[in-house]
Amino acid sequence: DAGVIQSPRHEVTEMGQEVTLRCKPISGHDYLFWYRQTMMRGLELLIYFNNNVPIDDSGMPEDRFSAKMPNASFSTLKIQPSEPRDSAVYFCASSLQGGTGELFFGEGSRLTVL
Amino acid sequence: GDSVTQMEGPVTLSEEAFLTINCTYTATGYPSLFWYVQYPGEGLQLLLKATKADDKGSNKGFEATYRKETTSFHLEKGSVQVSDSAVYFCAQTRDSSNTGKLIFGQGTTLQVKP
Repeated sequence: DAGVIQSPRHEVTEMGQEVTLRCKPISGHDYLFWYRQTMMRGLELLIYFNNNVPIDDSGMPEDRFSAKMPNASFSTLKIQPSEPRDSAVYFCASSLQGGTGELFFGEGSRLTVL
Repeated sequence: GDSVTQMEGPVTLSEEAFLTINCTYTATGYPSLFWYVQYPGEGLQLLLKATKADDKGSNKGFEATYRKETTSFHLEKGSVQVSDSAVYFCAQTRDSSNTGKLIFGQGTTLQVKP
């Protein structure tokens, strides 16, 4: 079975450019999460969706960040304009409503903003 | 608020040594508890879980027991291998609905030397 699929795996960009990260959750999962991982702050929950609807975006650092989930099989996290402090690994994860609470993670997108 | 605290790393052990990684939590209710493992360059994956007090989760030789009286969920393994080198995250559910919305500890890096 396919797991959570993220793209790109690596992205290097210059400050001020727009960055779009993509995620395909596991088919049938109701929840989708975007996390950011840095050495300084560890794993931070940015936003999560239930049935394609954003439920809690309180972790989104600022207005430069936005996330969408146009359908059950696709989500994007966009940063515009990007800044060097946005450099991190961004993980997408999905889970099943009524399940055990287990999260299934993608392999992450490593973003470097120069 | 609810939180998870792990012992700081890195933890460096020789092969076949005994491993303990401490984890304590604070919660207003009765969360489910998890250990996730992250191998280099990969996303997090569930290692084991426990859903109620006195439950023992186990997998791949790792064990952890849900201790309500000490609010702890320490990870143990009797004999570590080089392949166990990874970052280990303790986590609890944020709410009782088991959506997968988790609170993670800061992670503990384990290095096992031959």
